[in-house]
This record gives sequence, C-alpha cells and structure tokens, in this order.
Amino acid sequence: DAGITQSPRHKVTETGTPVTLRCHQTENHRYMYWYRQDPGHGLRLIHYSYGVKDTDKGEVSDGYSVSRSKTEDFLLTLESATSSQTSVYFCAISESRPGDTGELFFGEGSRLTVL
Amino acid sequence: SQQGEEDPQALSIQEGENATMNCSYKTSINNLQWYRQNSGRGLVHLILIRSNEREKHSGRLRVTLDTSKKSSSLLITASRAADTASYFCATDGAGSARQLTFGSGTQLTVLP
Repeated sequence: DAGITQSPRHKVTETGTPVTLRCHQTENHRYMYWYRQDPGHGLRLIHYSYGVKDTDKGEVSDGYSVSRSKTEDFLLTLESATSSQTSVYFCAISESRPGDTGELFFGEGSRLTVL
Repeated sequence: SQQGEEDPQALSIQEGENATMNCSYKTSINNLQWYRQNSGRGLVHLILIRSNEREKHSGRLRVTLDTSKKSSSLLITASRAADTASYFCATDGAGSARQLTFGSGTQLTVLP
C-alpha cells in the first residue's frame, strides 16, 4: 500500500469553527489532491498541488484553502465549517500527471461531520 | 460537473456471473481509469486505458474504450463475493492533465 496517512480519520465539529485535515505521504510523489465524496456525487476535486507551494483550485474549492510547505504534507483547511461541508474527504497522490500514466493512490479518508 | 457517468448505478449478480459496468464521458481524454472502493475504504486503482487503445485486460478485468462514442466498459468475469464494491471511472480531460474527474460510481453486489 502507498504510504498515505490522513488525520484525523473522524471529526465532529460545530458550524463556524475552523478545521484542518492533514495528508502525509512517504512516497515523495509530486502531485497531491483533496477530494470530497458525497452520496450521488462521486468524488469531486477540491484542490490539488503539483509541487511545494504550487496549488490550484478544483471543481468545488469555495470554502476551502490548502497549503503545501513540504513535499510530504498537504493540508486542507475549512476556515469556517458549514453543514454543507459534512463529507468524507480523501487525499490522493500521484507520481505523474493523470494525462500521462498518473494513477492515483488514495488515503483511507477523513469523515467530517459539521453540526 | 462530472466528466464520467457510470451505468448502472447499482448491479446485483450471483457469484460466478460476469458483471459489466459502463462509463460515458463528455470531452476528449488522454486516458481513462477504473477504480474500486470497498465500503469505508479509499479507492484503489484497477486499470488504465489510453485514448489510442481499444481494449485492455488485467486478470479477470477487461476494459474497452470507444472514443467515438465517448464510452468505456469494465467487465469482471467469473465474479466473486470479494468483488462486491463500488466501481468508478475517471477521466483526465485532455485540457486538464493534472487532475482526474470521477463519475458517481456503480455499486456492485455479488451474492454468494
């Protein structure tokens, strides 16, 4: 299994509080991604990173920010959590671009509940 | 918006039967990938097929790609109870080669 660790794995928080999810990899892969998974929507890309301090928005980036100060860590922050951000969040990594041979390796997910 | 859409949304078969799942997408692609997700777990990559390929095999998996119809199919032969999972197609969308777009998945149940 690819070395990807997400933390926390489960979190319950209240509306309006800040939340940070962490993704840590030991594979030294260049690309890192945050997806959210909701019933009926599959996986939707929130943000991704193509290098240290290089990030870009995905399909559903509103309300989320990311940071990547080291190759191995990719943080997802909800500045002020809302109930619509209740979801399962997945981190993924890739050695090459999806347009090449870039299969993604996924973490086990972080289940976030916003009350 | 989702690039790939799987069909059917749910499929229930008996052990030993074949399972076929379909994926349609909207824009040109470089490649298409299939992933599996067991309940409560992360996704696992199964197979990648490039836009210039028409068919690919991996063990009991067979994937076809028809770029003229913008569709792909995943066939699992001689299914087992352990194949019970959700299956997702993912496309890169030729203009956004740094990211994959996933469909909403097919939930496959294989009955023993």
